[in-house]
Amino acid sequence: AQSVTQPDIHITVSEGASLELRCNYSYGATPYLFWYVQSPGQGLQLLLKYFSGDTLVQGIKGFEAEFKRSQSSFNLRKPSVHWSDAAEYFCAVNTGFQKLVFGTGTRLLVSP
Amino acid sequence: NAGVTQTPKFQVLKTGQSMTLQCAQDMNHEYMSWYRQDPGMGLRLIHYSVGAGITDQGEVPNGYNVSRSTTEDFPLRLLSAAPSQTSVYFCASRLRPSDTQYFGPGTRLTVL
Repeated sequence: AQSVTQPDIHITVSEGASLELRCNYSYGATPYLFWYVQSPGQGLQLLLKYFSGDTLVQGIKGFEAEFKRSQSSFNLRKPSVHWSDAAEYFCAVNTGFQKLVFGTGTRLLVSP
Repeated sequence: NAGVTQTPKFQVLKTGQSMTLQCAQDMNHEYMSWYRQDPGMGLRLIHYSVGAGITDQGEVPNGYNVSRSTTEDFPLRLLSAAPSQTSVYFCASRLRPSDTQYFGPGTRLTVL
């Protein structure tokens, strides 16, 4: 069955430091890949998505992600974290047609 | 555009009660979904619809019913609420499977 793994439940980074959130997926074909962010008490907002082509994709708020087929990974990065980036981040895979499978999320804490 | 709207925002039910969570979108999206979000489990798909009159089960459909009589509306019915259905429920919609999925603000449901 298709699955998405986000191995880090919590990550704490200092403001201004770089960030990498890990995402691995299990799927036979090339999937559609997404990163969403959820602020406390809010819905989910799309940060970026990968469908095909360039494996490095740029998103909103200065985020980027790189699709690595050989590693079945789609890690999210940001060169300099801001306090407002504190939120929960979800990686998701579209396994075809309608079903979007989510990882369990990584909560990002930003320290001063 | 209001996007995806959900009502109510909060609800408390007693075990055995029934209720309907409302979801509407004004973007003329064919694809709509219901997810539940529980701590440490990410978002799990309950039911989805690929157009008016067409619905199907997701990962965790038991205890829930849906219908899609119009393109705009996709209500979720709890037939006999159980404490295990305490969760945050999100409705989402998109135009095509490969498109960005837009989420509503969520309904926080507590079943006592």
